[in-house]
Amino acid sequence: EVQLVESGGGLVQPGGSLRLSCAASGFTFSSYWMHWVRQAPGKGPVWVSRTNSDGSSTTYADSVKGRFTISRDNAKNTLYLQMNSLGAEDTAVYYCAREPMSDYYFDYWGQGTLVTVSS
Amino acid sequence: QSALTQPRSVSGSPGQSVTISCTGTSSDIGAYNYVSWYQQHPGKAPRLMIYDVTKRPSGVPDRFSGSKSGNTASLTISGLQAEDEADYYCCSYSGSYTSSIFGGGTKLTVL
Repeated sequence: EVQLVESGGGLVQPGGSLRLSCAASGFTFSSYWMHWVRQAPGKGPVWVSRTNSDGSSTTYADSVKGRFTISRDNAKNTLYLQMNSLGAEDTAVYYCAREPMSDYYFDYWGQGTLVTVSS
Repeated sequence: QSALTQPRSVSGSPGQSVTISCTGTSSDIGAYNYVSWYQQHPGKAPRLMIYDVTKRPSGVPDRFSGSKSGNTASLTISGLQAEDEADYYCCSYSGSYTSSIFGGGTKLTVL
């Protein structure tokens, strides 16, 4: 059974940093592109970042470019999101999601981890 | 890049059909046949319901169907059931640099 389990969320002050993790199981993690998608309270999901299967290629939404870094450790079956210079606009539930091979959608999502940026 | 446009809410009685529209541009929905739809119940993660405009993952009832015309995609739910009450989000691939763009969501109420 495919499972994605996020962790690392919490309350952080404006300007602070946080590192999210997503532990994957039930599939060959190293074969799949992976994404981070966030959803602010009461709003629709917003794509944040993606990495290819070996981590050599990454892409970011303009809103997080230069502040967030996506990475992965295929030996540990884990996806990461390092978030720096956080602002109130980054408050959201952060989901990791799997992209099927050779297609463009998200077939499995984690349960999400809440990041709250507030003083 | 702006979110795809969806109606804020739709409603229908059990057994009826409803259609949710999703309007984008010639750079996303109009450019690719990579529209997906997600169902989200309160406090839960999104669940894939439709991908590649019309395809249904295993386990999704055939009451759910998708279509596309030009820059607008649609999700139709026939034979409405109480458990269909949820938020629905469309999503389109929008190119290698911007990846994916979502709609603002539509709340489906089953009367």
